[in-house]
Amino acid sequence: GNSVTQMEGPVTLSEEAFLTINCTYTATGYPSLFWYVQYPGEGLQLLLKATKADDKGSNKGFEATYRKETTSFHLEKGSVQVSDSAVYFCANGGATNKLIFGTGTLLAVQP
Amino acid sequence: EAEVAQSPRYKITEKSQAVAFWCDPISGHATLYWYRQILGQGPELLVQFQDESVVDDSQLPKDRFSAERLKGVDSTLKIQPAELGDSAMYLCASSLQPGDRGQEQYFGPGTRLTVT
Repeated sequence: GNSVTQMEGPVTLSEEAFLTINCTYTATGYPSLFWYVQYPGEGLQLLLKATKADDKGSNKGFEATYRKETTSFHLEKGSVQVSDSAVYFCANGGATNKLIFGTGTLLAVQP
Repeated sequence: EAEVAQSPRYKITEKSQAVAFWCDPISGHATLYWYRQILGQGPELLVQFQDESVVDDSQLPKDRFSAERLKGVDSTLKIQPAELGDSAMYLCASSLQPGDRGQEQYFGPGTRLTVT
């Protein structure tokens, strides 16, 4: 079946540091993959997505590449800001967009 | 910008009582989802509607949970009777149509339920 495993947090970084949050998936077939973000006191919102192998999703300086060979969709950002502090969820959409979420990774960026 | 509305934002209830949550999706969105998010975990799908029909309720505890979307617009999720283990955030989301690969789901702010 479909699943997703993501890196446990919390992750604490200084401003301008490089960020990686690991996410791996299992699926039958070729799922669509997502990163959602939840800022304090707000609902989840889509950060980026990819629907096929080698696709790169990007938004707000964040990137993730759909790697079929390693079944991964790691989230990266070259220089984090305090405003990036949030919980990040990797999600596996399978073939029908039924989302299976990871447990979430709390990112805290210190000035 | 259109948003998914949910109410109430917070609810405290005693175990064995009934509780209901309401969701109004983005106008024109045919698909509506209810998720439960236990603290420290990711959201888990409880039920998915396409218009007024349930298309997936495989994870809904049907002995105590019910959901309806009578006119294919807004939706209500009910728990009766509530149990301590039901304490969680209940999230509603909507999307234009199901099944399209990569389609975004838009989430509401959620209802935080505490069962005492």
